[in-house]
Amino acid sequence: EIVLTQSPATLSLSPGERATLSCRASQNLGNFLAWFQQKPGQAPRLLIYDASIRATGIPARFSGSGSGTDFTLTISSLEPEDFAVYYCQKRGNPWTFGHGTKVEVK
Amino acid sequence: QVQLVQSGGGVVQPGRSLRLSCAASGFTFSGHAMHWVRQAPGKGLEWVAVITSDGTTADYTDSVRGRFIISRDNSKNTLYLQMDSLRVQDTAVYFCARESSSGWHYWGQGTLVTVSS
Repeated sequence: EIVLTQSPATLSLSPGERATLSCRASQNLGNFLAWFQQKPGQAPRLLIYDASIRATGIPARFSGSGSGTDFTLTISSLEPEDFAVYYCQKRGNPWTFGHGTKVEVK
Repeated sequence: QVQLVQSGGGVVQPGRSLRLSCAASGFTFSGHAMHWVRQAPGKGLEWVAVITSDGTTADYTDSVRGRFIISRDNSKNTLYLQMDSLRVQDTAVYFCARESSSGWHYWGQGTLVTVSS
């Protein structure tokens, strides 16, 4: 079974700073990786699919990169509403999620 | 607009059953595979089950296989999750989600299932 390892577990940053989140897969995923944002009490929100394609309505400050086993979600300049938990997910059975990275206010 | 509206959560004793529903609108329900995902209190997301668009094929995460059944009624635009032999560790918020070639853009609002004696 493919395992997704997200790092760091917590990222403490200030608004305006750049956030770089990592997701490493135990096997080659090609580009079959998505990123989600989740805020307390809310359903996950799709940000990126197929490793680098921004979902409809997602601001350009969110970008995804990588392929194979190493993937990155970058938030170029953090807005107050970006402080949340971020999950990566592989496409395909089983649709495994990473354990998440919490982006918190420093 | 696309909507997935969930119902059916609640408190149930271990060993009992519960059925969740996810009513879809605003899109061609029969054209999409659907998923259930859960989130235990304070924990991350866990994929639970998938069903194909025509309802003929389903699969489950190992921890629920044999206890949970995912199904759908395309005439009613509704997805279901029948949960039997519930365990304390099944306590979670359960989400339904729509699969598409452009990712899982649409999710239900989530419904809390609490398994407790």
